[in-house]
Amino acid sequence: ETGVTQSPTHLIKTRGQQVTLRCSSQSGHNTVSWYQQALGQGPQFIFQYYREEENGRGNFPPRFSGLQFPNYSSELNVNALELDDSALYLCASSGGGLAYNEQFFGPGTRLTVL
Amino acid sequence: GENVEQHPSTLSVQEGDSAVIKCTYSDSASNYFPWYKQELGKGPQLIIDIRSNVGEKKDQRIAVTLNKTAKHFSLHITETQPEDSAVYFCAASPGDTGTASKLTFGTGTRLQVTL
Repeated sequence: ETGVTQSPTHLIKTRGQQVTLRCSSQSGHNTVSWYQQALGQGPQFIFQYYREEENGRGNFPPRFSGLQFPNYSSELNVNALELDDSALYLCASSGGGLAYNEQFFGPGTRLTVL
Repeated sequence: GENVEQHPSTLSVQEGDSAVIKCTYSDSASNYFPWYKQELGKGPQLIIDIRSNVGEKKDQRIAVTLNKTAKHFSLHITETQPEDSAVYFCAASPGDTGTASKLTFGTGTRLQVTL
């Protein structure tokens, strides 16, 4: 059984560009959540996908969008990058429905916006 | 929305001593409380969790207690070892099915275990 994987590991972009981050959920997990972790802070919930539908969104603008594919892998897209978007982006997967499920995190993608 | 406060922000203990990290939450609907350990350059690792129908849970040297009336929960690590050094995060999750998995995290506690 493989854990949650994310790609790329690191990414450097310039302000105004667009970025796509990828996540493969743990085997058997059908729910993927994305979090943003600024330096020295706790992760902040961006949104969650369950069976390819967005299921809940945190306080992030529409330029943060996502997708979930039939194999439950997921993408996070960020348009019009701003300096404050520099952070560690974490993907977490959980399985068996929506309630009370443990979330297992991937190693994250470190995004730097210059 | 939910707000989770975590204390202390840093904690230094000697090897073999105990460490306690405390969190409070604001939303009485929260009913799932996990704790994560994050090492440098890695994603958070789930180390223990507790649900609202349980007051205490233990796993070897780690234990978590929950007081729903006071809306606080704590992580206890006994017989600390150098490999326990990391940043620890508490989190809370609401009970409604639609967003049951959304986690609200505390600000983290940097634990340093010295020899």
